[in-house]
Amino acid sequence: GAVVSQHPSWVICKSGTSVKIECRSLDFQATTMFWYRQFPKQSLMLMATSNEGSKATYEQGVEKDKFLINHASLTLSTLTVTSAHPEDSSFYICSASSTGVTEAFFGQGTRLTVV
Amino acid sequence: KQEVTQIPAALSVPEGENLVLNCSFTDSAIYNLQWFRQDPGKGLTSLLLIQSSQREQTSGRLNASLDKSSGRSTLYIAASQPGDSATYLCAVRPKEYGNKLVFGAGTILRVKS
Repeated sequence: GAVVSQHPSWVICKSGTSVKIECRSLDFQATTMFWYRQFPKQSLMLMATSNEGSKATYEQGVEKDKFLINHASLTLSTLTVTSAHPEDSSFYICSASSTGVTEAFFGQGTRLTVV
Repeated sequence: KQEVTQIPAALSVPEGENLVLNCSFTDSAIYNLQWFRQDPGKGLTSLLLIQSSQREQTSGRLNASLDKSSGRSTLYIAASQPGDSATYLCAVRPKEYGNKLVFGAGTILRVKS
């Protein structure tokens, strides 16, 4: 399968600071990228969908001004958690897919801890 | 709205036992269904993907079936090993959502040696 690389794998930040998470498709052009969030012992919940060159589409209840998503190229999408608070601590996972491909490929995830 | 349910929530079995994990979904209008494995604190590893036109897929000791009309899938693991211990997630790709996936809550599997 295709390779999606997510970085960093874990990060600890102070409350009030911003954190950027990168998601790269290494061997294919990702026309669409998805960002998921996973709380402990819960399943993945979709946060937003981004298409290359377009604004992201956020799921209901997700604050777009807090979770900034950029998908400026076909191989890179970033999620920036702005003014992070302890309740933002979670596991964030990206996935990427190409037009016409019925499977999405997942990154390794980023464990964010806000202290 | 598509909902995915996985039963059981947790399962503990002795090594060598065959086991079945269940997944059900409420809307049969799907492109495909996928089973993933997730180790603690790690990302997702895709195990099997079944297209809506298929009935089953096999990979090694794993066999996944799909009954789209009844909204059910099962993941069969033969001759379980301690290394199979992980959380198993089922996800469907609804036709109305493009490549979005809707996940179940997962089954936590523990295989005892």
